[in-house]
Amino acid sequence: EAGVTQFPSHSVIEKGQTVTLRCDPISGHDNLYWYRRVMGKEIKFLLHFVKESKQDESGMPNNRFLAERTGGTYSTLKVQPAELEDSGVYFCASSEGHPNTEAFFGQGTRLTVV
Amino acid sequence: ILNVEQSPQSLHVQEGDSTNFTCSFPSSNFYALHWYRWETAKSPEALFVMTLNGDEKKKGRISATLNTKEGYSYLYIKGSQPEDSATYLCASVDNYGQNFVFGPGTRLSVLP
Repeated sequence: EAGVTQFPSHSVIEKGQTVTLRCDPISGHDNLYWYRRVMGKEIKFLLHFVKESKQDESGMPNNRFLAERTGGTYSTLKVQPAELEDSGVYFCASSEGHPNTEAFFGQGTRLTVV
Repeated sequence: ILNVEQSPQSLHVQEGDSTNFTCSFPSSNFYALHWYRWETAKSPEALFVMTLNGDEKKKGRISATLNTKEGYSYLYIKGSQPEDSATYLCASVDNYGQNFVFGPGTRLSVLP
C-alpha cells in the first residue's frame, strides 16, 4: 500500500512568488493534516481536514496560506505571495480516524524562499 | 536525504506496562536526535534533544538513550498511562544542521 506522498520534495522560489505544495494521503484516510517546521523552531500544526472540510485551521499563520482538499482526496497548500520566513519543511500526515488512530506522515516538502 | 526509521509502527499496551521503541538513523554526519510526543492535531511536544553518544535523558516516566556509532535511539516509558497514548516521533539532524528528517513515528495506545 502506498504511503503518504508529498511533492515536490524541494522547492526554491523567490520572494513574492507563488508555490503550491501537494499531499496525497493514504487511500481511504479521511483525516489529513498539514504541519510545518520553520528552521530552528518546533514543528507546528497548520490545519486538519476531515474529508474535504477544514476541521481546524487554527495553525494557519496568515491569509497568504490557502489549503484545499477538493473531493476529499489529495490536498494542496498554496503560499501566495511567499515571504522569506515561510522557508521550512512542510509535512503532511493522514489517518483513518481521529484522534486515537495511527497517523502516517509524508517525508515533507522543503521550501526555500530567497 | 536521511532515512530515519522507527519501530514498531504501532503498539498497544496495558496501563501499567513498561514499553520501549526504537529510532534508527544514519550514523554518518550525525548531529542531533530529537524525540517528540505528538498528539494528532496539536503541535508536537519536544521530549528530548540528544547529541552525545551514550547520552541518556529522563523526563518523568519517559527516558531515552542514544548510540550514535550504530545509529539508534531507544525511548522507554515506565508504567504506561492512558495519557501516554500518542505518536512518538524521532527526528535526526545532520551536522550541517539543515537536514531535519522525521521518522514515521510509533503510535502508542495505552489501554486502561
